[in-house]
Amino acid sequence: DVKVTQSSRYLVKRTGEKVFLECVQDMDHENMFWYRQDPGLGLRLIYFSYDVKMKEKGDIPEGYSVSREKKERFSLILESASTNQTSMYLCASRGYTEAFFGQGTRLTVV
Amino acid sequence: GENVEQHPSTLSVQEGDSAVIKCTYSDSASNYFPWYKQELGKGPQLIIDIRSNVGEKKDQRIAVTLNKTAKHFSLHITETQPEDSAVYFCAASIAAAGNKLTFGGGTRVLVKP
Repeated sequence: DVKVTQSSRYLVKRTGEKVFLECVQDMDHENMFWYRQDPGLGLRLIYFSYDVKMKEKGDIPEGYSVSREKKERFSLILESASTNQTSMYLCASRGYTEAFFGQGTRLTVV
Repeated sequence: GENVEQHPSTLSVQEGDSAVIKCTYSDSASNYFPWYKQELGKGPQLIIDIRSNVGEKKDQRIAVTLNKTAKHFSLHITETQPEDSAVYFCAASIAAAGNKLTFGGGTRVLVKP
């Protein structure tokens, strides 16, 4: 059974903290993605990576960075968390067609 | 870049009736169109997809149609059941490794028993 695992289901962080969201996939996929999900806005792409150490900005990269040191792991970093980054964060990995998603991390910034 | 619009944002149907969700896309180079279902507390899961060389695809009670000329595609669910209640997302991309999926805004479907 294929798996994309996100390290936390729920996180509460304080404004200004540096936050790390981790994602691991076991499908040997080249491509990994971080999306943000907000009601009425669907899934918006923050960053994606098509190879180790390679990254591309998505549609809403401001306030975020990413790291991909190993093929199976893709990390999303909030450099200085703000309340407008309170959201559901979804990691996905993709081979040629189908994308597989993790269960999501609900982040609350207070 | 690609822009995907999805309608309606909410849909309430009686059990046994059909549900239809419609999406439009902007990039004529897109050639892969998946539909994802997201149940409460879970990540989205693929339920059906279609490539641009096909006009229609069916899998039991769900079907997807694609009109490349008009740049729109639709999801049809027949004989709806309470377990079909979920949020559904359409998406578009170029079916090649590395290409991002662009998602619509989602449709919350409620099937009333």
